[in-house]
Amino acid sequence: EVHLEDSGGGLVKPGGSLRLSCETSGFMFVTHYMAWVRQIPGKGLEWVSTISTSSSYEYYADSVKGRFSISRDNPKGSVFLQMNSLRAEDTGVYYCARINRFGVVYFDYWGPGTPVTVSS
Amino acid sequence: NFILTQPLSVSGSPGKTVTISCTRSSGNIADDYVQWYQQRPGNAPTPVIYEDNKRPSGVPDRFSGSIDSSSNSASLIISGLKTDDEADYYCQSYDRTNRGIFGGGTKLTVL
Repeated sequence: EVHLEDSGGGLVKPGGSLRLSCETSGFMFVTHYMAWVRQIPGKGLEWVSTISTSSSYEYYADSVKGRFSISRDNPKGSVFLQMNSLRAEDTGVYYCARINRFGVVYFDYWGPGTPVTVSS
Repeated sequence: NFILTQPLSVSGSPGKTVTISCTRSSGNIADDYVQWYQQRPGNAPTPVIYEDNKRPSGVPDRFSGSIDSSSNSASLIISGLKTDDEADYYCQSYDRTNRGIFGGGTKLTVL
């Protein structure tokens, strides 16, 4: 059974940093692109970042480019999101998600989400 | 880049059929697959339609998807409405740089 468990969220001051983690199991991690998607309170979903299978390619939303960094550890089946220079508008629930197959951005499995609050 | 526009809300009675639209602002809707996700309060989204009209395992055939090039839009059709279908629904596509693009979401109320 495919399982994603995201963690690492919390309360941080503006300008601070957080590192989110996503542990996976139940599938061949090394063959899937992985992504982070966030949801601002009371708002819709926003794609944040995607990483390729071998970490050769990283993609970022304009709103986080230069501040966030995605990475993965294939032997451990984990994906990470390093978030620096955090702003109030980064507050929300962050979900890690598996991308079903190369060439089609379809998020077929999601973690339960980890909340991030940026506030002084 | 393009945006996906959804109605803020739709409603229907139990047993009836509702359609949620998702209009692409530029480029052809048929160029890139459209997915649909259901999100209940406090939960992560779960897919109900992928690649325009395919259903993930476990999703009932009351859920169907289609695209219409003439209106440049995708649709999620839910027939035989159940109170359990009440949720937010999001369409999603992507661009040529692998960026995910979500619609703003539609709140479905089952009256």
